[in-house]
Amino acid sequence: EVQLLESGGGLVQPGGSLRLSCAASRFTFSSYAMSWVRQAPGKGLEWVSTIRPTGAYTYYADSVKGRFTIFRDNSKNTLYLQMNSLRAEDTALYYCAKLRGSGVSECPDYWGQGTLVTVSS
Amino acid sequence: EIVLTQSPGTMSLSPGERATLSCRASQSVSSSSLAWYQQKPGQAPRLLIYGAFTRATGIPDRFSGSGSGTDFTLTISRLEPEDFAVYYCHQCGSSPITFGQGTRLEIK
Repeated sequence: EVQLLESGGGLVQPGGSLRLSCAASRFTFSSYAMSWVRQAPGKGLEWVSTIRPTGAYTYYADSVKGRFTIFRDNSKNTLYLQMNSLRAEDTALYYCAKLRGSGVSECPDYWGQGTLVTVSS
Repeated sequence: EIVLTQSPGTMSLSPGERATLSCRASQSVSSSSLAWYQQKPGQAPRLLIYGAFTRATGIPDRFSGSGSGTDFTLTISRLEPEDFAVYYCHQCGSSPITFGQGTRLEIK
């Protein structure tokens, strides 16, 4: 079965940076669009960003545009999220999700277990 | 932005009963881009339904999805103890991608 393993979360001060990684296995990573979705403590799900299979096209929520960058390394089967200028409101569990197809209008079918990002001084 | 409003916010039912969860969109959603997820405490969301009515792999047939346009429904025909969780609807066809706020299904 599809496996997605996130890492890179932690405690960071406001204004700081973190890079999240998502190691994918048991599917052809380079054929699928991928997304990051976050969930603040006790809250609902919020889409963050999506990237198409080749990495040529990326999409962002307004709340992170200009601060976060999604990218992927298909040779390493790994998805990344570079997060800069972090704010307290970015505190959340960040999920990596595989979309059902190559297009960005596909919904996620598999999710990792998440990595926790805490932004606090 | 397409706002998805789920109702009720919380639903209290007993095992064996039927659950009907609603998801209303602020504007029309393509049925092919409407999904439902189940999330249990401490777990990642699990895909139940995609394309508004197609069950994902391994999902029991007591789960069914229906609807079109702005009104979608997830029905659980006979609740099992493991079905008590939070359910989210999700539209992935229009940017920004959005989720409903969730319906908590609790044991009565």
